Amino acid sequence: EVQLLESGGGLVQPGGSLRLSCAASGFTFSIYAMSWVRQAPGKGLEWVSAISDSDDTTYYADSVKGRFTISRDNSKNTLYLQVNSLRAEDTAVYYCAKDVDGYYPHYFDHWGQGTLVTVSS
Amino acid sequence: QSALTQPASVSGSPGQSITISCTGISSDVGGYNYVSWYQHHPGKAPKLVIYEVSNRPSGVSYRFSGSKSGNTASLTISGLQAEDEADYHCSSHTSSNTLVFGGGTKVTVL
Repeated sequence: EVQLLESGGGLVQPGGSLRLSCAASGFTFSIYAMSWVRQAPGKGLEWVSAISDSDDTTYYADSVKGRFTISRDNSKNTLYLQVNSLRAEDTAVYYCAKDVDGYYPHYFDHWGQGTLVTVSS
Repeated sequence: QSALTQPASVSGSPGQSITISCTGISSDVGGYNYVSWYQHHPGKAPKLVIYEVSNRPSGVSYRFSGSKSGNTASLTISGLQAEDEADYHCSSHTSSNTLVFGGGTKVTVL
């Protein structure tokens, strides 16, 4: 059974940083692209970032480019998102999602339960 | 990377059919057959219900169907049931090799 378990969320002040993690199990992690998707309170889903299967290509939404960094450790079956220079508008539930392909983000057949990031002073 | 356009809400009575539209542009919805739809119950993980415009994953009810015409994709739920009450989000691959979502549609079963 595919499982994606996010962690690392919490309350952080504006300008602060967090590192989100997503522990994957139940599938061959190293052959699939992975993404982070977020949902701000009362808003729709927003794709944030994706990383190819072998970690050599990354993609970002314009809203987070230069502030967020996606990475993965295929030896640990874990996906990461380093979030820096946080703003109030980054407050959201952050989901980890498994793509059906290994390279570009296409669509997601499995999602985690999410981890909440709250940016507030 | 403007969000795809979805109606904020759609409602229907049990047994009826409803259709949710998802409008983009030629560099996303209109240019690729990588349109997908997700069902999202609050507090739970989103669930893929349609992929590549019109394909249903294993285990998803036949009552869910998808289509596309030009820059607009659609999700139809036939034989509406109480359990279908949820938020529905469309997404599309883009020419920038990124992904874009719609604003989400709240489906209410009357």
